Amino acid sequence: IAGITQAPTSQILAAGRRMTLRCTQDMRHNAMYWYRQDLGLGLRLIHYSNTAGTTGKGEVPDGYSVSRANTDDFPLTLASAVPSQTSVYFCASSDGSAGSSTDTQYFGPGTRLTVL
Amino acid sequence: GQNIDQPTEMTATEGAIVQINCTYQTSGFNGLFWYQQHAGEAPTFLSYNVLDGLEEKGRFSSFLSRSKGYSYLLLKELQMKDSASYLCAVMDSNYQLIWGAGTKLIIKP
Repeated sequence: IAGITQAPTSQILAAGRRMTLRCTQDMRHNAMYWYRQDLGLGLRLIHYSNTAGTTGKGEVPDGYSVSRANTDDFPLTLASAVPSQTSVYFCASSDGSAGSSTDTQYFGPGTRLTVL
Repeated sequence: GQNIDQPTEMTATEGAIVQINCTYQTSGFNGLFWYQQHAGEAPTFLSYNVLDGLEEKGRFSSFLSRSKGYSYLLLKELQMKDSASYLCAVMDSNYQLIWGAGTKLIIKP
């Protein structure tokens, strides 16, 4: 069982380019999340999806979009990358049963993105 | 606004005990999580508290006081591999996790 996989592991991107970060989970979790992690700051939620076919905005959604066509996949797209989007991006998933330990989020290995 | 506070960095000695504190102010409360994150790696789940009191899991224990908006993570018999960042996160009324910036724990021999 792989859990959650992310691709690519790292990427250097020119400003203005479009980029899609991939995330796949095999735990049949309902909920999936995208976070960015920057030095000195806590994890910040970009977008989330409570179930396939639905998505929602988190704390820092501007410049990012997501889709959830099926249970397993939750790609994150940067339509036109800017240097401030340089960060480590983590995808996570949870069973999504609200208010219990099954809300525990499990994280993928992350994608280190540098926008020049 | 919502806020999670934890110390930026702590240092402890191998074999000793360390307590990492977390205070929070959030809109609603649906549980508090502690995660461990080694440098360059993903966060991994350590503990979950939703009721007041102490939850013990091996060398690690987590305490919660909802009335005080306070939690701590207690690590006993410290090992060098415990050198990592420890993240406190609170699930708010919308069932979203609000994360602290993390406490970097340095273990010295």
